[in-house]
This record gives sequence, C-alpha cells and structure tokens, in this order.
Amino acid sequence: AQKITQTQPGMFVQEKEAVTLDCTYDTSDPSYGLFWYKQPSSGEMIFLIYQGSYDQQNATEGRYSLNFQKARKSANLVISASQLGDSAMYFCAMREASGNTGKLIFGQGTTLQVKP
Amino acid sequence: DADVTQTPRNRITKTGKRIMLECSQTKGHDRMYWYRQDPGLGLRLIYYSFDVKDINKGEISDGYSVSRQAQAKFSLSLESAIPNQTALYFCATSLGGESTDTQYFGPGTRLTVL
Repeated sequence: AQKITQTQPGMFVQEKEAVTLDCTYDTSDPSYGLFWYKQPSSGEMIFLIYQGSYDQQNATEGRYSLNFQKARKSANLVISASQLGDSAMYFCAMREASGNTGKLIFGQGTTLQVKP
Repeated sequence: DADVTQTPRNRITKTGKRIMLECSQTKGHDRMYWYRQDPGLGLRLIYYSFDVKDINKGEISDGYSVSRQAQAKFSLSLESAIPNQTALYFCATSLGGESTDTQYFGPGTRLTVL
C-alpha cells in the first residue's frame, strides 16, 4: 500500500543554518511524484517543490532542494539558510500515476521552528 | 487575488445542522479535490472531481456529499454535522491526473461542530 512516513514530529534549527526534513515513501508504482508543502500557522498549504520518479537530478527551488534517493525510497527536503519565516509545518506527499485519481497521500508532517 | 478561494474561512455550527463549504478557482483546472486535515493525521481525501460530470469518492466520504456546479466551483456539504467532523477542510485543484501535476490548495475552512 502507498505510504508516506515523516519520522520527525518536530525540529529546531538556528537561523541561517541548513536543515533537512526526512521523508520516506512506499509504493509499487514505477511512476510517481513527490511533493513538499509548507503550512504556516495561518493554515494555508503552500506548494514548495516537486520531484518526479524518473527525474535524474534532484529538484531545487530557491533555498529548497529535494534529496531524492530512489533506491532508499527517501525524498528529504533541505532548506538552506533558514529564516524565521520558515517556521511552519512541512508535509511530504506522494502522487501515483496509476489509477489516475490524482490523489495525494500525505505524511503526518514535521513542525520546524527556526530560532533567532 | 487568490487562485483558489474557500468560503467561509471559519464556521461554528451545531450537531445535526446542514452546512456547505464552497470552493472556487480561477486557475482553469479541470480537477478539484476536497481534503480534511485532523491534528497529527495529515490530509485525507474526501471527494475528487475530474470534471463537472465526473465525481468520485475518496477515502473518507461517509457523511459528506459534493456538487460540481461548474468547472470553477466545487462544494462540500455535511448533511447532518457531527462533532468528529470538526477539522480543517481544504479544497485543491490540479490541471490533470498525471503524477507530475501539482495540486494547489485554497486557504482552508476551519469547521467546528459543537
């Protein structure tokens, strides 16, 4: 069964340092997409970054990068040069191509707090 | 202006009341979704719609119904609200169902059922 696991309920990082948020996934579908979303305290879900299962290179979007290790089924989010505004909950999600539902499966989230 | 809007943003209602949550989008996407978020459980899919005539149940559809009035509008109804439906509800849209398609979320509706 498809599953996303985020093992870190909470993380702290010092401002301006880098932080890695872990995500592992389980699927038997060879074609899938992995997403990271940010949810600040205001509640909205903000798309951050996407990685396709066939992508040869790790995705990057500004200060966000995705450390994709396909054999280990991990898709960790790396935030460089943390800012106070990065304090939020972060969700890893997976979308499979088979079945064509477009459904996203979410992990339970990691709360990140950036210390000044 | 936001591409995906939800109304109301907050709602408190009583057990047994009927309530409708509305979602509108200006992204021109065909696919729309309703998710529910409970603390510690991430988001779970309630219903999804490929187009106006194609509506499908998600993993937790019991107690909910939906209506796709137009490409841009997708409403979620609770026919008889109960306290365990207290949650944060999100509408999302995507262009298509390929694994590469990104879902874009509305701001959420915080629903409390007393």
